Amino acid sequence: DTGVSQNPRHKITKRGQNVTFRCDPISEHNRLYWYRQTLGQGPEFLTYFQNEAQLEKSRLLSDRFSAERPKGSFSTLEIQRTEQGDSAMYLCASSLGTGRDTEAFFGQGTRLTVV
Amino acid sequence: GIQVEQSPPDLILQEGANSTLRCNFSDSVNNLQWFHQNPWGQLINLFYIPSGTKQNGRLSATTVATERYSLLYISSSQTTDSGVYFCAVGPGTASKLTFGTGTRLQVTL
Repeated sequence: DTGVSQNPRHKITKRGQNVTFRCDPISEHNRLYWYRQTLGQGPEFLTYFQNEAQLEKSRLLSDRFSAERPKGSFSTLEIQRTEQGDSAMYLCASSLGTGRDTEAFFGQGTRLTVV
Repeated sequence: GIQVEQSPPDLILQEGANSTLRCNFSDSVNNLQWFHQNPWGQLINLFYIPSGTKQNGRLSATTVATERYSLLYISSSQTTDSGVYFCAVGPGTASKLTFGTGTRLQVTL
């Protein structure tokens, strides 16, 4: 296993279009997280799955955002009706949770540009 | 929510110099990680260190959980150490990480 994989690496879309990103976590990891990072800032938490259950969503995750992890393996993050303010790096991370917090590993990210 | 402050925000070093980066957090944590973000945006794991001291080559880290701070030491810096260093913490009852705003390090020849 080579780590957390995200696709695509870059996405340019027109305002108003829908986009979907994919994250494949480290295979034995049961926890999966999505973060968003804007220029000059640290990553900010969006949402978190344990297996297929979405356990927490940030208030940053507006109604236009939806995330799924249907079989507890890969996850998708969809943004509907994109806005210029959605331009950011979207990062996925995974960890092996056993009741206490454990080390998270990040993918290379998907850089979204809304024009 | 938990607050994370990193200092200094920017640091310029000559190759071979040593540096100390600091991370202060506002509440007790059970997860603390240091990352290096490379120019392509990839977050590279440096240390998972909710308490104690660890060393990995020229890098070492110490977390004093009772005093709510962590330090990252870089010795004999190299130009490849340039980038942004993030501290991220997680409380015991939640799994999300809260990141600081980072320390931007530039190592010059």
